[in-house]
Amino acid sequence: EIVMTQSPATLSVSPGERVTLSCRASQSVNSDLAWYQQKPGQAPRLLIYGASTRASGIPARFSGSGSGTDFTLTISSLQSEDFAVYYCHHYNKWPHFGGGTKVEIK
Amino acid sequence: QENLVQSGAEVKKPGSSVKVSCKASGGTSPNYSFHWVRQVPGQGFEWIGGVIPILTTTSYAQKFQDRVTITADVSTKTSHMDLSRLTSEDTAIYYCARGSAYQEILTAFRYWGQGTLVTVSS
Repeated sequence: EIVMTQSPATLSVSPGERVTLSCRASQSVNSDLAWYQQKPGQAPRLLIYGASTRASGIPARFSGSGSGTDFTLTISSLQSEDFAVYYCHHYNKWPHFGGGTKVEIK
Repeated sequence: QENLVQSGAEVKKPGSSVKVSCKASGGTSPNYSFHWVRQVPGQGFEWIGGVIPILTTTSYAQKFQDRVTITADVSTKTSHMDLSRLTSEDTAIYYCARGSAYQEILTAFRYWGQGTLVTVSS
């Protein structure tokens, strides 16, 4: 099983700041990596798939990068609606999710 | 845009089974997979398994393989997840989701249902 590890667990950020979230795989998942946003009481929303392709309707301030074992989700300028928990998910062989990074207001 | 609507909350006894349904509408295609993922409230996600409706191809996580059945009905655009031999550790929110890649089980999840809370308690 390929295990995904996200860091940090919590990030305290001010609106307008640039945010970088990390996701590391225990072995290569190529580019079979997605990022999701989840707000309290809601289902997740797909942001990025194929490590770097934005899903339909996702603002350009969200970008993804990386391949193999190390991946990054960047939010160029954090908006108030972006405070949420972010999860990475690999779908190379048996799918597995990271533990999440909570982005909270500083 | 696709909409997934799941069946309502369930309360089950240990040792029993639960069946959760997920109906798709709005531009849905049988060539895209249904998946089932669960989340213990306040925690992360665990993939249970998936099915490609048009191919009836299924894939299950090893942890659940001996007690889960996932099906999909092309005509009703509905997927069902049947989980047996429930324990308190199965208490979670169960989500269905649709895959983003044509006839692929290994895919990102583009659309999600609203979630179904399954509580297992004696």
